[in-house]
Amino acid sequence: GQQVMQIPQYQHVQEGEDFTTYCNSSTTLSNIQWYKQRPGGHPVFLIQLVKSGEVKKQKRLTFQFGEAKKNSSLHITATQTTDVGTYFCAGAYSGSEKLVFGKGTKLTVNP
Amino acid sequence: DGGITQSPKYLFRKEGQNVTLSCEQNLNHDAMYWYRQDPGQGLRLIYYSQIVNDFQKGDIAEGYSVSREKKESFPLTVTSAQKNPTAFYLCASSMWEGGKQPQHFGDGTRLSIL
Repeated sequence: GQQVMQIPQYQHVQEGEDFTTYCNSSTTLSNIQWYKQRPGGHPVFLIQLVKSGEVKKQKRLTFQFGEAKKNSSLHITATQTTDVGTYFCAGAYSGSEKLVFGKGTKLTVNP
Repeated sequence: DGGITQSPKYLFRKEGQNVTLSCEQNLNHDAMYWYRQDPGQGLRLIYYSQIVNDFQKGDIAEGYSVSREKKESFPLTVTSAQKNPTAFYLCASSMWEGGKQPQHFGDGTRLSIL
């Protein structure tokens, strides 16, 4: 079946360091969404990417969608303690009615 | 305030018992979803519904049942056939466009076995 692979599963950084999580699909995605789940909370939508090669920024967060629309990344510059949580990508496929979530990357930030 | 309300927040199930998790939304969204979250497993889709009186199985529907009698409500029943029900259950909703709309999540229900 359709799967979205996400790496790494865990990432520990010192405050101020950068962080990147990657998602990959073996088949072309129609779009990809990113969510953040704080500890003890629920996933919250961050952004959606639709176009090949698309790059979007939200303050210190940069989201990219690959040229082939099979991979995506989320990069956080100069992490802060407020960035802790699990980041999920979720891909949608043409002709499918549902999102397929990656397993998430859990980010911890040491102050 | 528009949003999704899940209840209860915590639920305990005895062996052989069916339990129902509630999910209500006032966002006027067409689509609703149920996910199961286990540590390190991400979110796995149990059931989803695009319109009232219609729903489809997700990837792990066995041992679960749903109904969609009202647009606002999408309750999930965890039946005794689900042998490993301990998990965090999340309900979500979105405008319907086949995965192209953001999903809004409730606060979740944590289900445990007694």
